[in-house]
Amino acid sequence: AQSVAQPEDQVNVAEGNPLTVKCTYSVSGNPYLFWYVQYPNRGLQFLLKYITGDNLVKGSYGFEAEFNKSQTSFHLKKPSALVSDSALYFCAVRDNFNKFYFGSGTKLNVKP
Amino acid sequence: DGGITQSPKYLFRKEGQNVTLSCEQNLNHDAMYWYRQDPGQGLRLIYYSQIVNDFQKGDIAEGYSVSREKKESFPLTVTSAQKNPTAFYLCASSPELQETQYFGPGTRLLVL
Repeated sequence: AQSVAQPEDQVNVAEGNPLTVKCTYSVSGNPYLFWYVQYPNRGLQFLLKYITGDNLVKGSYGFEAEFNKSQTSFHLKKPSALVSDSALYFCAVRDNFNKFYFGSGTKLNVKP
Repeated sequence: DGGITQSPKYLFRKEGQNVTLSCEQNLNHDAMYWYRQDPGQGLRLIYYSQIVNDFQKGDIAEGYSVSREKKESFPLTVTSAQKNPTAFYLCASSPELQETQYFGPGTRLLVL
Protein backbone atom coordinates (compact mmCIF):
# COMPACT_ATOMS: atom_id res chain seq x y z
CA ALA A 1 0.00 0.00 0.00
CA GLN A 2 1.11 3.53 -0.73
CA SER A 3 2.02 5.49 2.36
CA VAL A 4 4.00 8.32 3.84
CA ALA A 5 5.56 8.07 7.28
CA GLN A 6 6.74 10.78 9.59
CA PRO A 7 8.21 8.70 12.40
CA GLU A 8 8.44 11.51 14.96
CA ASP A 9 5.31 13.07 16.41
CA GLN A 10 7.41 15.85 17.86
CA VAL A 11 10.89 17.28 17.40
CA ASN A 12 12.47 19.58 19.97
CA VAL A 13 15.44 21.76 19.12
CA ALA A 14 17.13 24.81 20.61
CA GLU A 15 17.14 28.05 18.68
CA GLY A 16 20.24 28.36 16.52
CA ASN A 17 20.77 24.62 16.28
CA PRO A 18 20.19 22.63 13.08
CA LEU A 19 16.92 20.81 12.71
CA THR A 20 15.78 17.72 10.83
CA VAL A 21 12.22 16.52 10.35
CA LYS A 22 12.09 13.02 8.90
CA CYS A 23 9.91 11.61 6.15
CA THR A 24 9.95 8.24 4.43
CA TYR A 25 7.59 7.01 1.77
CA SER A 26 6.37 3.87 0.11
CA VAL A 27 5.06 4.91 -3.28
CA SER A 28 5.73 3.17 -6.56
CA GLY A 29 7.27 4.84 -9.57
CA ASN A 30 8.90 8.26 -9.49
CA PRO A 31 6.94 10.30 -6.99
CA TYR A 32 6.85 14.02 -6.50
CA LEU A 33 7.67 14.99 -2.91
CA PHE A 34 6.49 18.01 -0.94
CA TRP A 35 6.83 19.68 2.44
CA TYR A 36 4.15 21.90 3.95
CA VAL A 37 4.01 23.86 7.21
CA GLN A 38 0.89 24.56 9.26
CA TYR A 39 0.53 27.17 11.99
CA PRO A 40 -2.28 26.78 14.57
CA ASN A 41 -5.78 26.99 13.10
CA ARG A 42 -4.41 27.85 9.68
CA GLY A 43 -4.17 26.13 6.33
CA LEU A 44 -1.03 24.44 5.04
CA GLN A 45 1.67 26.57 3.44
CA PHE A 46 3.87 25.14 0.70
CA LEU A 47 7.58 25.03 1.60
CA LEU A 48 9.31 23.09 -1.16
CA LYS A 49 9.06 20.21 -3.60
CA TYR A 50 11.22 17.68 -5.38
CA ILE A 51 10.37 16.51 -8.87
CA THR A 52 13.68 15.63 -10.47
CA GLY A 53 17.30 16.75 -10.63
CA ASP A 54 19.51 17.78 -7.71
CA ASN A 55 18.71 15.74 -4.61
CA LEU A 56 18.99 18.81 -2.38
CA VAL A 57 16.03 21.12 -2.77
CA LYS A 58 15.92 24.62 -1.31
CA GLY A 59 12.63 26.19 -0.29
CA SER A 60 11.01 28.99 1.64
CA TYR A 61 12.22 30.45 4.96
CA GLY A 62 15.67 28.84 4.70
CA PHE A 63 14.38 25.27 4.66
CA GLU A 64 15.83 22.58 2.44
CA ALA A 65 15.15 18.90 1.92
CA GLU A 66 17.26 16.02 0.76
CA PHE A 67 15.84 13.33 -1.49
CA ASN A 68 17.38 9.88 -1.03
CA LYS A 69 16.01 7.38 -3.51
CA SER A 70 17.70 4.30 -2.05
CA GLN A 71 16.33 5.05 1.41
CA THR A 72 13.02 6.42 0.04
CA SER A 73 13.39 9.43 2.29
CA PHE A 74 12.84 13.15 1.97
CA HIS A 75 13.99 14.74 5.22
CA LEU A 76 13.40 18.44 5.88
CA LYS A 77 16.35 20.41 7.22
CA LYS A 78 17.37 23.87 8.32
CA PRO A 79 20.90 24.86 9.40
CA SER A 80 19.79 27.22 12.18
CA ALA A 81 16.33 26.99 13.77
CA LEU A 82 14.25 29.99 14.78
CA VAL A 83 11.57 30.12 17.47
CA SER A 84 9.18 31.22 14.73
CA ASP A 85 9.77 27.90 12.95
CA SER A 86 7.70 26.20 15.64
CA ALA A 87 4.74 24.67 13.80
CA LEU A 88 3.33 21.43 12.40
CA TYR A 89 5.14 20.06 9.37
CA PHE A 90 3.64 17.70 6.79
CA CYS A 91 5.38 15.60 4.19
CA ALA A 92 3.35 14.74 1.08
CA VAL A 93 3.93 12.49 -1.89
CA ARG A 94 2.22 12.45 -5.28
CA ASP A 95 2.28 9.13 -7.06
CA ASN A 96 2.24 8.37 -10.80
CA PHE A 97 -1.56 8.35 -10.74
CA ASN A 98 -1.68 11.96 -9.50
CA LYS A 99 -2.88 10.95 -6.07
CA PHE A 100 -1.49 12.76 -3.02
CA TYR A 101 -0.60 11.08 0.26
CA PHE A 102 0.10 13.12 3.40
CA GLY A 103 2.06 12.08 6.45
CA SER A 104 0.55 12.42 9.91
CA GLY A 105 2.58 15.51 10.70
CA THR A 106 5.50 16.37 13.00
CA LYS A 107 5.27 19.11 15.58
CA LEU A 108 8.45 21.15 15.69
CA ASN A 109 9.21 22.97 18.94
CA VAL A 110 12.07 25.46 18.84
CA LYS A 111 13.02 26.73 22.28
CA PRO A 112 14.81 30.03 22.92
CA ASP B 1 -3.48 31.22 2.32
CA GLY B 2 -3.65 33.99 -0.32
CA GLY B 3 -6.08 33.43 -3.16
CA ILE B 4 -8.17 30.75 -1.47
CA THR B 5 -10.88 31.66 1.00
CA GLN B 6 -12.93 29.38 3.18
CA SER B 7 -15.99 30.34 5.17
CA PRO B 8 -17.08 30.26 7.85
CA LYS B 9 -14.02 29.91 10.11
CA TYR B 10 -16.13 28.01 12.67
CA LEU B 11 -19.34 26.10 11.97
CA PHE B 12 -21.69 24.37 14.34
CA ARG B 13 -23.89 21.50 13.27
CA LYS B 14 -26.94 20.17 15.02
CA GLU B 15 -27.91 16.52 14.99
CA GLY B 16 -29.41 15.50 11.64
CA GLN B 17 -28.53 18.76 9.95
CA ASN B 18 -26.75 19.25 6.64
CA VAL B 19 -24.17 22.03 6.56
CA THR B 20 -22.22 23.52 3.66
CA LEU B 21 -18.64 24.75 3.79
CA SER B 22 -17.60 27.34 1.25
CA CYS B 23 -14.35 27.36 -0.75
CA GLU B 24 -13.53 30.05 -3.29
CA GLN B 25 -10.31 30.64 -5.24
CA ASN B 26 -9.23 33.47 -7.52
CA LEU B 27 -6.05 31.78 -8.72
CA ASN B 28 -7.60 30.48 -11.94
CA HIS B 29 -6.72 26.95 -10.85
CA ASP B 30 -8.40 24.02 -12.58
CA ALA B 31 -8.15 21.48 -9.76
CA MET B 32 -9.70 21.79 -6.31
CA TYR B 33 -9.69 19.47 -3.30
CA TRP B 34 -11.31 18.93 0.08
CA TYR B 35 -9.43 17.36 2.98
CA ARG B 36 -10.36 16.47 6.49
CA GLN B 37 -7.77 16.88 9.26
CA ASP B 38 -8.05 15.03 12.56
CA PRO B 39 -5.42 15.17 15.32
CA GLY B 40 -2.57 12.77 14.70
CA GLN B 41 -3.97 11.54 11.38
CA GLY B 42 -2.70 14.05 8.88
CA LEU B 43 -4.93 14.94 5.97
CA ARG B 44 -7.44 12.63 4.34
CA LEU B 45 -8.90 13.35 0.91
CA ILE B 46 -12.70 13.68 0.75
CA TYR B 47 -13.35 14.80 -2.82
CA TYR B 48 -11.43 16.41 -5.65
CA SER B 49 -12.31 18.08 -8.93
CA GLN B 50 -10.12 18.39 -12.00
CA ILE B 51 -12.43 20.66 -13.93
CA VAL B 52 -15.82 22.34 -13.80
CA ASN B 53 -18.80 19.96 -13.59
CA ASP B 54 -16.53 17.04 -12.74
CA PHE B 55 -15.49 15.62 -9.37
CA GLN B 56 -14.21 12.35 -7.94
CA LYS B 57 -14.46 10.64 -4.57
CA GLY B 58 -11.40 10.55 -2.37
CA ASP B 59 -10.62 8.14 0.43
CA ILE B 60 -13.41 9.19 2.82
CA ALA B 61 -16.28 10.49 0.68
CA GLU B 62 -19.11 8.79 2.58
CA GLY B 63 -21.38 11.33 4.25
CA TYR B 64 -20.12 14.20 2.11
CA SER B 65 -21.17 15.76 -1.20
CA VAL B 66 -19.71 18.43 -3.46
CA SER B 67 -20.49 20.45 -6.57
CA ARG B 68 -18.33 22.29 -9.09
CA GLU B 69 -20.58 24.56 -11.07
CA LYS B 70 -17.99 27.30 -11.34
CA LYS B 71 -14.22 27.16 -11.69
CA GLU B 72 -13.79 29.42 -8.66
CA SER B 73 -16.04 27.54 -6.26
CA PHE B 74 -16.05 24.04 -4.74
CA PRO B 75 -18.51 23.85 -1.82
CA LEU B 76 -18.59 20.84 0.48
CA THR B 77 -21.79 19.64 2.14
CA VAL B 78 -21.50 17.58 5.29
CA THR B 79 -24.67 15.53 5.39
CA SER B 80 -26.48 13.97 8.32
CA ALA B 81 -25.07 10.63 7.17
CA GLN B 82 -21.61 11.70 8.37
CA LYS B 83 -21.72 10.43 11.94
CA ASN B 84 -18.45 11.92 13.12
CA PRO B 85 -18.14 15.29 11.39
CA THR B 86 -16.12 17.14 14.02
CA ALA B 87 -12.83 18.03 12.32
CA PHE B 88 -10.83 20.75 10.62
CA TYR B 89 -11.71 20.95 6.92
CA LEU B 90 -9.18 22.22 4.42
CA CYS B 91 -9.78 23.23 0.83
CA ALA B 92 -6.93 23.36 -1.68
CA SER B 93 -6.42 24.16 -5.34
CA SER B 94 -3.72 23.58 -7.94
CA PRO B 95 -3.15 24.71 -11.54
CA GLU B 96 -3.62 21.14 -12.70
CA LEU B 97 -4.30 17.92 -10.87
CA GLN B 98 -0.66 16.98 -10.37
CA GLU B 99 0.75 20.35 -9.43
CA THR B 100 1.57 21.85 -6.04
CA GLN B 101 -1.55 22.36 -3.95
CA TYR B 102 -2.28 25.66 -2.24
CA PHE B 103 -4.48 25.61 0.84
CA GLY B 104 -7.18 27.81 2.28
CA PRO B 105 -7.27 28.80 5.98
CA GLY B 106 -9.67 26.01 6.95
CA THR B 107 -13.07 25.64 8.60
CA ARG B 108 -13.51 24.00 11.99
CA LEU B 109 -16.75 22.06 12.22
CA LEU B 110 -18.18 21.29 15.63
CA VAL B 111 -21.25 19.30 16.57
CA LEU B 112 -23.73 20.68 19.10
